[in-house]
Amino acid sequence: EVQLVESGGGVLRPGGSLRLSCETSGFTFDDYGMSWVRQAPGKGLEWVSGISKSGIRIDYADSVKGRFTISRDNAKNSLYLQMNSLRAEDTALYHCATGLVDRSTLYGDAFDIWGLGTMVTVSS
Amino acid sequence: QSVLTQPPSVSGAPGQRVTISCTGSSSNIGAGKDVHWYQQLPGTVPKLLIYDNNNRPSGVPDRFSGSKSGTSASLAITGLQGEDEADYYCQSFDNSLSACVFGTGTRVTVL
Repeated sequence: EVQLVESGGGVLRPGGSLRLSCETSGFTFDDYGMSWVRQAPGKGLEWVSGISKSGIRIDYADSVKGRFTISRDNAKNSLYLQMNSLRAEDTALYHCATGLVDRSTLYGDAFDIWGLGTMVTVSS
Repeated sequence: QSVLTQPPSVSGAPGQRVTISCTGSSSNIGAGKDVHWYQQLPGTVPKLLIYDNNNRPSGVPDRFSGSKSGTSASLAITGLQGEDEADYYCQSFDNSLSACVFGTGTRVTVL
């Protein structure tokens, strides 16, 4: 069974740091690009960052550029998101996601596999 | 502020056909980038409905169809059912931003 399981969320003050992890299983991890997608309470979907299957190509949404760092460990079948200088507007449910339906996409978009997410709350 | 614009809401009676538009620009849909569509039921993770403009993943009913023309794309739902009440999002890649982008989202209501 294909699974993505996020962890590492929590409640913290503005300016704090957090590292999210996404453990994967059930598919050949290093064959696929991966992404982080977030959803603030009551709001729409926002793509946060993506990493190619080799890890060579990486991109970020403008809203997190310079503060967040995505990485992957293909030996551990895991995806990470280092979040620094957190702001109240970063409060959201963070999902890792990929697309097994189309292996050609750079960051796994055509996301047919989603984790349940890990909640990050930034509040003073 | 999303670069892909969708109507906030659409509605229809059971059995009717509704369409949801996704308007982009020459740096995303108009640049030939594929469009994908997601359905999000309340309290659940998004589900891929259409990928690469007009392809349905296994298990998605053929009541859902996608199309693309110029700088826009559309999702059509025929034979609308109560279980189709959900939020729908389009998604593509933007060359100028070098980023994946989601649409603003559309709430479908079955009257």
